[in-house]
Amino acid sequence: KAGVTQTPRYLIKTRGQQVTLSCSPISGHRSVSWYQQTPGQGLQFLFEYFSETQRNKGNFPGRFSGRQFSNSRSEMNVSTLELGDSALYLCASSLGPMGDTEAFFGQGTRLTVV
Amino acid sequence: AQKITQTQPGMFVQEKEAVTLDCTYDTSDPSYGLFWYKQPSSGEMIFLIYQGSYDQQNATEGRYSLNFQKARKSANLVISASQLGDSAMYFCAMREMGGSEKLVFGKGTKLTVNP
Repeated sequence: KAGVTQTPRYLIKTRGQQVTLSCSPISGHRSVSWYQQTPGQGLQFLFEYFSETQRNKGNFPGRFSGRQFSNSRSEMNVSTLELGDSALYLCASSLGPMGDTEAFFGQGTRLTVV
Repeated sequence: AQKITQTQPGMFVQEKEAVTLDCTYDTSDPSYGLFWYKQPSSGEMIFLIYQGSYDQQNATEGRYSLNFQKARKSANLVISASQLGDSAMYFCAMREMGGSEKLVFGKGTKLTVNP
């Protein structure tokens, strides 16, 4: 059974550009959540999708957006990149918001903004 | 608001010894889940163990066990028979069962296993 797949693994972008990251959850999982990890702020919740609907959103500016497709794959987009957006972006996959379920992470996408 | 506290920025342990990583949490929700993850230098977050707030027994997964003390709001991870490959960052996280999958993480503990 394949795990959570995030692409690309590494990315270097220039300030002002936009970027799209992809996450394919474990087969059968319908919930995908995204997190940003930086040395200063630690792991912070970005947003959560279930059945193509955003269920919850963290405290991030509107430059951060996401979506989920009918096959549960999710993408997140960051527009007008800033140096501070350099981080490891992790996505988590779970069965869904039914409560007592485990959450599994992908290997992450390491974004560097120069 | 949810909060996770990991008071040990770094821990050292000798190979083959047991180690306990501390985690305390704060929530007003009676229904929640507690997680531990391992993050090696590669960056991947590896799921280790899960404990539900209504679980009567402490969770165990191989060499990992979770010492769940609900009244004290603590969920310490115990790693038995440490191995060199256990050297990594360890994160405690909590999810309230209000229908969201959002996890709140602690700042982590860096574990170093010495030969």
